[in-house]
Amino acid sequence: TQLLEQSPQFLSIQEGENLTVYCNSSSVFSSLQWYRQEPGEGPVLLVTVVTGGEVKKLKRLTFQFGDARKDSSLHITAAQPGDTGLYLCAPYGGWGKLQFGAGTQVVVTP
Amino acid sequence: DAGVTQSPTHLIKTRGQQVTLRCSPISGHKSVSWYQQVLGQGPQFIFQYYEKEERGRGNFPDRFSARQFPNYSSELNVNALLLGDSALYLCASSLGTSTGNTIYFGEGSWLTVV
Repeated sequence: TQLLEQSPQFLSIQEGENLTVYCNSSSVFSSLQWYRQEPGEGPVLLVTVVTGGEVKKLKRLTFQFGDARKDSSLHITAAQPGDTGLYLCAPYGGWGKLQFGAGTQVVVTP
Repeated sequence: DAGVTQSPTHLIKTRGQQVTLRCSPISGHKSVSWYQQVLGQGPQFIFQYYEKEERGRGNFPDRFSARQFPNYSSELNVNALLLGDSALYLCASSLGTSTGNTIYFGEGSWLTVV
């Protein structure tokens, strides 16, 4: 079983600040997905990273995949209240089976 | 287009009872998965069905069962409910089973066991 650790567990920041959340594993990821879950909703896919060293940008969100494919990070620039949510990472090998971490709860206050 | 729809949205059951949760995938999606999300944790995989057959099962007791119908909708059944079964139950669907197929989640069914 792949052990997945997300840190920090909780992050509270002011609007306009930057933040980074981390996802680490004891094993190599074949591919890794990041999701955001807002209150009362299901998780929504943000990005999939596959190649070691890969960097993907989605507006103010930057996703990095470690060279060894055992870790990943999500950096948000100039956070906005709409970025509030539970950020989840999950390796994905197909067949609808995602192995989510516990997530990082991000709260951005105006 | 409608997303993944789940029913009921909220329900309260008593210990020992049985519950059935329902899921309609996005039109054309043949793969359906079920997840349990306990407060403060990430979703945990329960089952995956593809073309009406169970293709994956997570580490859950036999009290949990599911099925997929010819129209690809799905039901999750939980028997002999325990307090610890209180959680958000999420259904997800995708076109197929490869890593290139995006998984879409419903808003979930909140189950409270008292």
